[in-house]
Amino acid sequence: DARVTQTPRHKVTEMGQEVTMRCQPILGHNTVFWYRQTMMQGLELLAYFRNRAPLDDSGMPKDRFSAEMPDATLATLKIQPSEPRDSAVYFCASGRGELAGRDEQFFGPGTRLTVL
Amino acid sequence: AQKVTQAQTEISVVEKEDVTLDCVYETRDTTYYLFWYKQPPSGELVFLIRRNSFDEQNEISGRYSWNFQKSTSSFNFTITASQVVDSAVYFCALFTTSGTYKYIFGTGTRLKVLA
Repeated sequence: DARVTQTPRHKVTEMGQEVTMRCQPILGHNTVFWYRQTMMQGLELLAYFRNRAPLDDSGMPKDRFSAEMPDATLATLKIQPSEPRDSAVYFCASGRGELAGRDEQFFGPGTRLTVL
Repeated sequence: AQKVTQAQTEISVVEKEDVTLDCVYETRDTTYYLFWYKQPPSGELVFLIRRNSFDEQNEISGRYSWNFQKSTSSFNFTITASQVVDSAVYFCALFTTSGTYKYIFGTGTRLKVLA
């Protein structure tokens, strides 16, 4: 049963520290999405990739966030420096679609980030 | 501008009751896709259905059914004979390709099914 995996599942850090979240998409999927979920803002799309190339990252604060796909089996979301307002659950999702977003997305379990 | 509205923040029903979750969307695109996702207490979002803008045929899958009406820009979701396991947050989402790709989620409806 193929699943998207995310590490770590939980992260507590102090303000100003760098945070790196990792995602392993389902093998064969060519689109990867990063979302942030908070009580106040709900689910927000931060960035997504197709065939490892960034397609849209307009939802991501550029000054502190960065997203990359070093290879087809790994996507990373980095926050540097982290701030308390970054506290949220970060989801990664992957899809097999030719056109990003058209197909269903398979979500990982999320990384719960707490920035003190 | 694209927008998804789920006006019902929380709904409580008693097991075996039918329940409808509303979703209203806004877009100027003629080609778009609508989705429903379920987020159970475990936290992972689970895909339920996708519908493209050219297919207004209603769909039924077991106890789930979806009513897509372009005239009212709505894509409502009905659970028949609800069960406790249906308790979750349900999200409606819109995907468009106007300009840049946009994937927009509604704020979700929390469904509580009481035994």
